[in-house]
Amino acid sequence: GENVEQHPSTLSVQEGDSAVIKCTYSDSASNYFPWYKQELGKRPQLIIDIRSNVGEKKDQRIAVTLNKTAKHFSLHITETQPEDSAVYFCAAMEYGNKLVFGAGTILRVKS
Amino acid sequence: DTEVTQTPKHLVMGMTNKKSLKCEQHMGHRAMYWYKQKAKKPPELMFVYSYEKLSINESVPSRFSPECPNSSLLNLHLHALQPEDSALYLCASSRVPGLYSGNTIYFGEGSWLTVV
Repeated sequence: GENVEQHPSTLSVQEGDSAVIKCTYSDSASNYFPWYKQELGKRPQLIIDIRSNVGEKKDQRIAVTLNKTAKHFSLHITETQPEDSAVYFCAAMEYGNKLVFGAGTILRVKS
Repeated sequence: DTEVTQTPKHLVMGMTNKKSLKCEQHMGHRAMYWYKQKAKKPPELMFVYSYEKLSINESVPSRFSPECPNSSLLNLHLHALQPEDSALYLCASSRVPGLYSGNTIYFGEGSWLTVV
C-alpha cells in the first residue's frame, strides 16, 4: 500500500518568513495529493490540493508543487502569520479512494 | 455548502455501553468514510462506503460496526469498547467513488469519544 513520509516534524519560523513542508509517497499510481491544516481541537481543513496532471498550484500565500518522477510534493507558505500556526498533514490518495496521511508537521509562527 | 455534520460532538461511555456516532451530508456525495485520530497523530482510515455499500474495512475490530442507511447518512455503532479506543472519530465524504477518483474529501468536525 501507499506510504507517505513527511518532513520536518516541527518547524518554527519568524512571522513574515516562508515555510516549506515536504512529503514523499511510494505508490506511483497515486494521483491526488491534498494538504490539510488542523488547529488544536478542530477538524482537518483542506487548504490546497494538487492532481498528478499538474506540477504546481497556488492560492494566495499557499502553493503546492508536485514532482511525479521523484514522487515528492511540497507545501510552501509565504509571508507566514501567527494564525498559520497549526499541524499540517500531507496525504496521497491510493486505490479505492483511500487517503493515506503523512505523520504531520507542527508549524509555529513566532511574532 | 461543504458541510459534513457529526453528532454527538462529545461522548463518554462505559466499556459495557452501546452507543452510536452519526454523520450526515447533503452534498450528494456517494463516498463516505470513518477515520479515527489519536492525539498528535494523523487520521487513520477505518471504513469506506461507496454507493452505500461497504467497500473498505481496514481490519477494524468488530466492536466498531458501521452502517450506511442511505446516501446521506453514516453511522458508527459502538459496543464493548476499550479505553484505548478513546479518540476523535472523523466522518468524511467525497463526490464520486472510484478506483483512483482523486475527489476532494471533506471532514466533519468529529466526535470526541472517551471510554471509561
